[in-house]
Amino acid sequence: DAKTTQPTSMDCAEGRAANLPCNHSTISGNEYVYWYRQIHSQGPQYIIHGLKNNETNEMASLIITEDRKSSTLILPHATLRDTAVYYCIERNFGNEKLTFGTGTRLTIIP
Amino acid sequence: EAGVVQSPRYKIIEKKQPVAFWCNPISGHNTLYWYRQNLGQGPELLIRYENEEAVDDSQLPKDRFSAERLKGVDSTLKIQPAELGDSAVYLCASSSQGHEQYFGPGTRLTVT
Repeated sequence: DAKTTQPTSMDCAEGRAANLPCNHSTISGNEYVYWYRQIHSQGPQYIIHGLKNNETNEMASLIITEDRKSSTLILPHATLRDTAVYYCIERNFGNEKLTFGTGTRLTIIP
Repeated sequence: EAGVVQSPRYKIIEKKQPVAFWCNPISGHNTLYWYRQNLGQGPELLIRYENEEAVDDSQLPKDRFSAERLKGVDSTLKIQPAELGDSAVYLCASSSQGHEQYFGPGTRLTVT
C-alpha cells in the first residue's frame, strides 16, 4: 500500500503557482520522495525527487520539511498542459519498486 | 532519443481469449517493468526484470499471466485466458541502474 497521503483533487488558475502537498509521516531515513505525473491517456512521467534538501529542475521545485514528514511540489507558472494526476511516492534508493497511490488530480483553470 | 514503445495501444477481446502485449524499452536500460493500472487507481507493479531475469514477480497472477524478456531487451506480457477483471491499462517502463523510470503510453485492454 502507498504510504503517502495527498488531496484527491485541486484546481489552480493558469499562470499561477500550483502547490501540491504530500504527507509522508512514516518516511524512513533512506527513503526519497519522488514525484511523477500522469497526463490523460499517457504513462506516468518523472518530475523530480529529493531526500532532505529542496530541489529544483526545469519542471518544478520540491520543498521538503525539515522533519521530512511532508513535502510540497511547486509548479511555478502552471499551464493548461500541467493538468494531470500527480503522484507523490516514497522510494528507498536502490529499491527499484515504485508504489503509487491514487494521487492528486490537478486541474488548471483558464 | 526514442522513448518506451508499446503495442498495441488498444485491444478489445472476448473473455477466455488470449492476449499479448509487447514492450521495447529505452536503449541501454537494463531494468524493465510491467504495471497494471485500473480505472481511477495508480499503476501497480506486476513484474520487474533485470536484464533477462525476473527479479520481482510477486504480484503477477501466475495462473493466467506470463511474461518474458528474451535477450534482455524487449518484453512480452501475456494473459491466457483473459477475464473481465483484466480490463485495465498495461504499462511498461524501463530504467537504468536505479534511476528514474520512463513509462510507455500503455495498452488499454477491454475484455468483453
